[in-house]
Amino acid sequence: EVQLVESGGGLVQPGGSLRLSCAASGFTFSSHSMNWVRQAPGKGLEWVSYISGSTTSVNYADSVKGRFTISRDNARNSLYLQINSLRDEDTAVYYCARGEATSGWLIDYWGQGTLVTVSP
Amino acid sequence: EIVLTQSPGTLSLSPGERATLSCRASGSVSSNHLAWYQVKPGQAPRLLISGASRRATAIPDRFSGSGSGTDFTLTISRLEPEDFAVYYCQRYDISPRTFGQGTKVEVK
Repeated sequence: EVQLVESGGGLVQPGGSLRLSCAASGFTFSSHSMNWVRQAPGKGLEWVSYISGSTTSVNYADSVKGRFTISRDNARNSLYLQINSLRDEDTAVYYCARGEATSGWLIDYWGQGTLVTVSP
Repeated sequence: EIVLTQSPGTLSLSPGERATLSCRASGSVSSNHLAWYQVKPGQAPRLLISGASRRATAIPDRFSGSGSGTDFTLTISRLEPEDFAVYYCQRYDISPRTFGQGTKVEVK
């Protein structure tokens, strides 16, 4: 069974930093691209970032480019998101999401999310 | 800017009724790389449809997707109590992988 478990969320002040983690199990982690997707309170889903299985390809939404860094450790079956220079509008539930093996850009499984709250 | 527009914003229906959700893209979606997801509060989002019309694993056949190019539809043939949720379309042919703003299916 595919499992994605996020951690690392919490309350942080504007301008602060946070590192989100996602522990993956139930599949061959290195064979799949991974994504972060977020949902602000009362808002829709927003794709944030993508990393290929081999880490050779990385993409970001314009809204987070230069502030967020996605990474992965295939030996630890883990995905990360380093979030710097946090803004009020970064308050959201952050989901870890797996890319399908054949169509790497299609998201086929999601975690339950971790809440990041940016507030003074 | 790449935009996916979903309509209506909210659908008020009764169990057993048919739900028809629309997703329109501002530019043609290559290879019909259009997916639909179901989101319920406190739960992990779930993939329903990929490739515009292919049901994901374990998705009941009351869910169906159709369309091509710029116009896509998700149909729920007979609403079950567990189907009341928010539904999002997403294109995955280009970056950024834009989502629509969502359609909420609520109990009438």
